[in-house]
Amino acid sequence: SQQGEEDPQALSIQEGENATMNCSYKTSINNLQWYRQNSGRGLVHLILIRSNEREKHSGRLRVTLDTSKKSSSLLITASRAADTASYFCATDGSERGNNRKLIWGLGTSLGVNP
Amino acid sequence: EAQVTQNPRYLITVTGKKLTVTCSQNMNHEYMSWYRQDPGLGLRQIYYSMNVEVTDKGDVPEGYKVSRKEKRNFPLILESPSPNQTSLYFCASRLDPGGRGQPQHFGDGTRLSIL
Repeated sequence: SQQGEEDPQALSIQEGENATMNCSYKTSINNLQWYRQNSGRGLVHLILIRSNEREKHSGRLRVTLDTSKKSSSLLITASRAADTASYFCATDGSERGNNRKLIWGLGTSLGVNP
Repeated sequence: EAQVTQNPRYLITVTGKKLTVTCSQNMNHEYMSWYRQDPGLGLRQIYYSMNVEVTDKGDVPEGYKVSRKEKRNFPLILESPSPNQTSLYFCASRLDPGGRGQPQHFGDGTRLSIL
């Protein structure tokens, strides 16, 4: 079952601009993760934010988490053409159980024009 | 280099012809998982394995089998493929099944077309 919903579904910006993607989810989480997928390739883990954190940075990436609104945002600053990819959020539930599978959103397709 | 390796990357085959997609990881991860990715449906988990000889169904297991005889390998088996199994498949691994806050590592995917 899909829990995360990203918006927008697609985003097109110019190189150097900032890109913001949002993710909403439905149930309690332990952490939320963002992944990038280049066309035809596997997903690559970008950043993880735990439920007790509000903001996290990694290089040009900034992630925020608002558990009261059950939402997260991913900001990519000073975008580059190489940032063109699909971006997915995945939630790791707080329920017990060994699978603890990630629940995936449908992704935001980001195009950065040189 | 730490990686998850899937083979083949591309396969076109016909209905009913048994096939196996291999997956191998070199990170000594306990947890491995298979997903399929379809437009508009996102990533859906097919099967997962928490350790050697321990496997269980994910969200869409029908028509698939898996095995985990060794820690590093987790093959996906389609005994009698059908056109609705045409999809992009990913294998992923994670350090341990209870590993909250641990990223999943993905293979590069296998694009499977069943005619």
